[in-house]
Amino acid sequence: EVQLLESGGDLVQPGGSLRLSCAASGFTFSSYAMSWVRQAPGKGLEWVSTIHNSGGNTYYPDSVKDRFTISRDTSKNTLYLQMNSLRAEDTAIYYCAKGVGDSGTYSYWGQGTLVTVSS
Amino acid sequence: DIQMTQSPFLLSASVGDRVTITCRASQGIGNYLAWFQQKPGKAPRSLIYAASSLQGGVPSKFSGSGSGTDFTLTISSLQPEDFATYYCQQYYSYPVTFGQGTKVEIK
Repeated sequence: EVQLLESGGDLVQPGGSLRLSCAASGFTFSSYAMSWVRQAPGKGLEWVSTIHNSGGNTYYPDSVKDRFTISRDTSKNTLYLQMNSLRAEDTAIYYCAKGVGDSGTYSYWGQGTLVTVSS
Repeated sequence: DIQMTQSPFLLSASVGDRVTITCRASQGIGNYLAWFQQKPGKAPRSLIYAASSLQGGVPSKFSGSGSGTDFTLTISSLQPEDFATYYCQQYYSYPVTFGQGTKVEIK
């Protein structure tokens, strides 16, 4: 059974940093693209980042580029999202998602972790 | 960026109804289109990828069609557990983008 368990969400001040983790199990972690998707309170889904299996290429939207870094540790079956220079508009539930193969869409989602950026 | 536009924004329907949600891309995306279901307070659930392929465990009452710029999600016979918000997503090119969502509510 595929399981994705996010952690690391917290209340942080504007300009601060946070690292999210996603512990994966039930599949061969190294074989799939992995992504982060967020949802601000009462809003829709917004893609945050993807790391591909092949070559480990990473992608970001302009809204988080140069502030967020996605990475994976295949020895620990864990996905990370390092978030720096956080802004109020980064406040959201952050979901970890397993790719459909190495594509940019998803087959399974974690339960999410809440990040609140506020002074 | 590719814009994804869903219609309607809100769909009121009854149990047993056949419902269709439309998603239009601002440019051609082949069949790189996925659909997700989200219930209040829950994580999204993946329903369909590659425009018409069902994810594992998804019942056959859900179906997807389309290619290029116009896509549809159809629920053949709406059940109480299907009342939720539905999102489309294009993954043809980065940045990946989602539609704004369609809320299916009880009529």
